Amino acid sequence: SQQGEEDPQALSIQEGENATMNCSYKTSINNLQWYRQNSGRGLVHLILIRSNEREKHSGRLRVTLDTSKKSSSLLITASRAADTASYFCATDAGGTYKYIFGTGTRLKVLA
Amino acid sequence: SQTIHQWPATLVQPVGSPLSLECTVEGTSNPNLYWYRQAAGRGLQLLFYSIGIDQISSEVPQNLSASRPQDRQFILSSKKLLLSDSGFYLCAWSEQGWEQFFGPGTRLTVL
Repeated sequence: SQQGEEDPQALSIQEGENATMNCSYKTSINNLQWYRQNSGRGLVHLILIRSNEREKHSGRLRVTLDTSKKSSSLLITASRAADTASYFCATDAGGTYKYIFGTGTRLKVLA
Repeated sequence: SQTIHQWPATLVQPVGSPLSLECTVEGTSNPNLYWYRQAAGRGLQLLFYSIGIDQISSEVPQNLSASRPQDRQFILSSKKLLLSDSGFYLCAWSEQGWEQFFGPGTRLTVL
């Protein structure tokens, strides 16, 4: 099964609203990352948060990490139509060389 | 700066035909390299990863294989394609413990 599971699977909001996506994982990690994928394209890295960090910001993005609950959340504030994409979390599976991706959240921002 | 190239962008192949997808990275040395497959509307499935020449790990038993003939070249192959091999193939590189950078992907359709 997937190391990461995103929730919700799909999210539709109006432009200007905030979007929150959650990710849960199963094993210990060194870091957790969030990626964005526009339809039919490669993934683009958004933010990396290490296991000893609790919160991280990058522009309109805010990521939190709760290692005790093995969960993370991605908040996109003041969403724009251009934020429409799929968002994935990925973990380093306990410090191994491989990254395990979740199933993704499909975000649609309506203008 | 680092760049990652992946080709071809699209490929239509008959069942039973061979496959060769190529990925090259520029601007970095000894990267970790990865092949993923993504089914339509789904998450990423890790197929292979490599931490060095002749060091390739397979994650999913299947009729695919990977090779790394040069430090920054990663090739995904098959001797005989199956219908189930259709999907979106993504190559990525990273430095250990840091984010992954993805290529543009190859959309493979097996008929």
